[in-house]
Amino acid sequence: IAGITQAPTSQILAAGRRMTLRCTQDMRHNAMYWYRQDLGLGLRLIHYSNTAGTTGKGEVPDGYSVSRANTDDFPLTLASAVPSQTSVYFCASSPGTSADTQYFGPGTRLTVL
Amino acid sequence: GQNIDQPTEMTATEGAIVQINCTYQTSGFNGLFWYQQHAGEAPTFLSYNVLDGLEEKGRFSSFLSRSKGYSYLLLKELQMKDSASYLCAVRDSNYQLIWGAGTKLIIKP
Repeated sequence: IAGITQAPTSQILAAGRRMTLRCTQDMRHNAMYWYRQDLGLGLRLIHYSNTAGTTGKGEVPDGYSVSRANTDDFPLTLASAVPSQTSVYFCASSPGTSADTQYFGPGTRLTVL
Repeated sequence: GQNIDQPTEMTATEGAIVQINCTYQTSGFNGLFWYQQHAGEAPTFLSYNVLDGLEEKGRFSSFLSRSKGYSYLLLKELQMKDSASYLCAVRDSNYQLIWGAGTKLIIKP
């Protein structure tokens, strides 16, 4: 692994189902982030983690949860998916805890029907 | 509220120069970033400005004026591969990035 990986690449999901998007980095970065990107809008921060064991809410956290059990992994869970969560989801990481330059994973395209 | 403004779309000719502007109103300022994003791909880091002035990196340069809440990205000697979206982002007082919607740059032969 080199950098950040995300899985799955894409997913079609029925409304009401639970879904976990996976993110793994091998750069030993302290901070990790989850964004969603929608057409015509800037990237919006969902949740972040400045270091393993801590998480925080971003701009649009409702309907999403995260955990950071170790440095490398930062999964994002949709407890009960709704159509408005249809989006492209990007995971990112940065070396420090104060949002240094962020490096992005390839993204997950999620469609909720 | 916090706001980052960029033009939605720009068109330029291969070999020419293009300037993409970004204006911002944020709660605090701790640096401005430019990222490039090709269609269907992840954003990749281009440049970072925290002090006023011009930062040059090969064909790309980025300028910042903190007093005017203004930045631009200058791309020289445009190549077809420069066709992409260019994202402006400002790090606010909480050290979170606030993102513009991006400028789609179309390069014509």
